[in-house]
Amino acid sequence: GAVVSQHPSWVICKSGTSVKIECRSLDFQATTMFWYRQFPKQSLMLMATSNEGSKATYEQGVEKDKFLINHASLTLSTLTVTSAHPEDSSFYICSARDSGGLSTEAFFGQGTRLTVV
Amino acid sequence: QKEVEQDPGPLSVPEGAIVSLNCTYSNSAFQYFMWYRQYSRKGPELLMYTYSSGNKEDGRFTAQVDKSSKYISLFIRDSQPSDSATYLCAMEVTGGGNKLTFGTGTQLKVEL
Repeated sequence: GAVVSQHPSWVICKSGTSVKIECRSLDFQATTMFWYRQFPKQSLMLMATSNEGSKATYEQGVEKDKFLINHASLTLSTLTVTSAHPEDSSFYICSARDSGGLSTEAFFGQGTRLTVV
Repeated sequence: QKEVEQDPGPLSVPEGAIVSLNCTYSNSAFQYFMWYRQYSRKGPELLMYTYSSGNKEDGRFTAQVDKSSKYISLFIRDSQPSDSATYLCAMEVTGGGNKLTFGTGTQLKVEL
């Protein structure tokens, strides 16, 4: 099946620094990718929809200046957590669908565990 | 009220048991229903996908949808320790931009 690769799988950073997370579709093109956040024992909460070649669409309550999304190609979207604080510590997951295929399955990356100290 | 309600568990069953996992929803616009399995510290993987009321079977897994009651279920037969994971239901609105709305997930443990 299609593969979505997310990198890094975990990262620890100091408070105030920025962290970039990459999401790649390895064997298909994705005009749209999605970024989720998951707290322990809670569901995935959609943060934003990443659109190739245009601005991301953020969900209500998500700070667009804090969570910068760039979708520069059909196979890569990045999420940058700017000026990270301990409350940003969470599990971040991306997903993508094959834009050119018939399958409607959403493929998920393996997730990135961010710890801000 | 959340759009999708799911009992978080944890649910503990003996090996070989039949497991029933359920979600209810309030938004009648949901037309596509999915079940994902998520192992600890991993991304979700799709188990079942359906869009019509009724049952859909795939190996040991059966997905059931009752749109009139806004209720979906996932049944796991002959459960194995390897089935121990968190199971998330997800739903999508037709024309909703491919956005998925997830339940909180039910943590399942299958014991030897």
